[in-house]
Amino acid sequence: EDQVTQSPEALRLQEGESSSLNCSYTVSGLRGLFWYRQDPGKGPEFLFTLYSAGEEKEKERLKATLTKKESFLHITAPKPEDSATYLCAVQAGTSYDKVIFGPGTSLSVIP
Amino acid sequence: KAGVTQTPRYLIKTRGQQVTLSCSPISGHRSVSWYQQTPGQGLQFLFEYFSETQRNKGNFPGRFSGRQFSNSRSEMNVSTLELGDSALYLCASSRGQEGETQYFGPGTRLLVL
Repeated sequence: EDQVTQSPEALRLQEGESSSLNCSYTVSGLRGLFWYRQDPGKGPEFLFTLYSAGEEKEKERLKATLTKKESFLHITAPKPEDSATYLCAVQAGTSYDKVIFGPGTSLSVIP
Repeated sequence: KAGVTQTPRYLIKTRGQQVTLSCSPISGHRSVSWYQQTPGQGLQFLFEYFSETQRNKGNFPGRFSGRQFSNSRSEMNVSTLELGDSALYLCASSRGQEGETQYFGPGTRLLVL
């Protein structure tokens, strides 16, 4: 069965303290892996799409990487405005646009 | 480019009633997916429409239905509402090809009393 897990469930960082979030997946035929950021009561905001192992993408303080079994979202020198829930999702197999989401990591950055 | 829009943003209904939610995708996007988000279950896939046809369906009861119009706008209907249907309902649009990124709307917050 296709599955996406994320760790840790929650993470508290001091401002400037770099860390990584993990997304592990068990799927057949990965078509794409997506990272989203979600603020409370709002829709997920797209961050990155990764397609193949070894791929990396960066945006400001965020960098996403992909291996054959997992993806990491690295946060460098985070600021309080980076506080949000970070969601990982995968599209796999032959199902067009059927996307499976992980449970998310709730990130709090303390000033 | 305008983003995905959803209406209404908030709804309060009572058990047994039905509700219709609307989603307008990004211009040029032909795929619309619907998700239910609750604190306990996270984001769960409801169904996906592409060119007015349901292409994928999640594991939800038949009370949940949807449709898509020729302009790609989509509606989702929930009949005979239950307390457990209280959730944030999100729609996402994409061009509809494999591996395409989905872009989400702000959601409709439904409260069932």
